[in-house]
Amino acid sequence: NAGVTQTPKFQVLKTGQSMTLQCAQDMNHNSMYWYRQDPGMGLRLIYYSASEGTTDKGEVPNGYNVSRLNKREFSLRLESAAPSQTSVYFCASSEALVAGVQETQYFGPGTRLLVL
Amino acid sequence: SQQGEEDPQALSIQEGENATMNCSYKTSINNLQWYRQNSGRGLVHLILIRSNEREKHSGRLRVTLDTSKKSSSLLITASRAADTASYFCATDGRSQGAQKLVFGQGTRLTINP
Repeated sequence: NAGVTQTPKFQVLKTGQSMTLQCAQDMNHNSMYWYRQDPGMGLRLIYYSASEGTTDKGEVPNGYNVSRLNKREFSLRLESAAPSQTSVYFCASSEALVAGVQETQYFGPGTRLLVL
Repeated sequence: SQQGEEDPQALSIQEGENATMNCSYKTSINNLQWYRQNSGRGLVHLILIRSNEREKHSGRLRVTLDTSKKSSSLLITASRAADTASYFCATDGRSQGAQKLVFGQGTRLTINP
């Protein structure tokens, strides 16, 4: 099993350009997440999908959109990139919630995005 | 806002020594998790401790949880150079419906040979 995969690994954008970050998991997990990590800020949740067909905003959703394409895939789109979106983006997945309890999350290797 | 806060922000010790990192959080939880991140890589789950547990072991890792103080500690015994990484605690925020984890800012651990 590959676990959680992300593409691309690196990307450079100009301000105003758009792009989609792809994420896929092969563990049959129901829940998927997108985080961004900035120096000294830890991980901040952008959007998550508790189950196929649902998406919800996290802590920092502005400037992003997501699509839960199917159970395996969860994409993150930047419609008009800004320098403030320069960051490392991580996708993660976890099994379905058990009685409202969050279980282990499995992370992808990350996408490094630079917006000029 | 961050649910978990790690302390210290950075820790440098000699190989073979023990490393202790602390995490404090604000609201009631179902469980608390610790993750490790090597430089330039994704996070890797280390250990999960549930709110009704006080201590848990996994190899050289020992985690404690004090729900009355809303704090947890991660102890790595007999440290090795390969333990050099950032360590994050994460909580699921029972009051938030436990839909997601909230991570602290991490402790950067350096093991000197």
